Amino acid sequence: DGGITQSPKYLFRKEGQNVTLSCEQNLNHDAMYWYRQDPGQGLRLIYYSQIVNDFQKGDIAEGYSVSREKKESFPLTVTSAQKNPTAFYLCASSSIGEGPNQPQHFGDGTRLSIL
Amino acid sequence: AQSVAQPEDQVNVAEGNPLTVKCTYSVSGNPYLFWYVQYPNRGLQFLLKYITGDNLVKGSYGFEAEFNKSQTSFHLKKPSALVSDSALYFCAVRDPGGMMDTGRRALTFGSGTRLQVQP
Repeated sequence: DGGITQSPKYLFRKEGQNVTLSCEQNLNHDAMYWYRQDPGQGLRLIYYSQIVNDFQKGDIAEGYSVSREKKESFPLTVTSAQKNPTAFYLCASSSIGEGPNQPQHFGDGTRLSIL
Repeated sequence: AQSVAQPEDQVNVAEGNPLTVKCTYSVSGNPYLFWYVQYPNRGLQFLLKYITGDNLVKGSYGFEAEFNKSQTSFHLKKPSALVSDSALYFCAVRDPGGMMDTGRRALTFGSGTRLQVQP
């Protein structure tokens, strides 16, 4: 079945450590996104990418980095510069060729906590 | 800039009764509107969307939503609630005009409304 796979499901970060969250999709979607979800705040956009080797900052990019070396993969690194990383991170993808009205498909998220 | 408001943090309804989850939006042009549902520790699942045409949109699991341009609202409805409908619901908007500069197609989400259906 086609879908989006995020791993790990739970992740713990030590002080001063960078951690990387994995996101893989087999939907053949061009666009991929990373969102952060905090209680009572909905989802906020961190980074997005519409094509391989290109990505753009979202609304809360500080302290995060991404890469898009393959169409299927869009990993997110939470750096030590992100002082409040505890959150639920969601990866999504969407088709571009079918037009801008296509819904985004989401993975099941990674919950990041601080040790 | 586009924005979405979900004025209710929680909605409580008895099983079998109709339910409404409210959403209002603000965009510069004609909006693309979406509803998603989230179950605990899961990603978001797409329910329905409004792009153009009929103001009443039907979606998955018996849900529907009514687009009202004059009130800039897109309320989610269901004629008869089920206990299994209990979840977190998100309204989202995409402003087609916002794609002209960078091609950004990301959604702007509301803060979410928790629906609790009592047996």
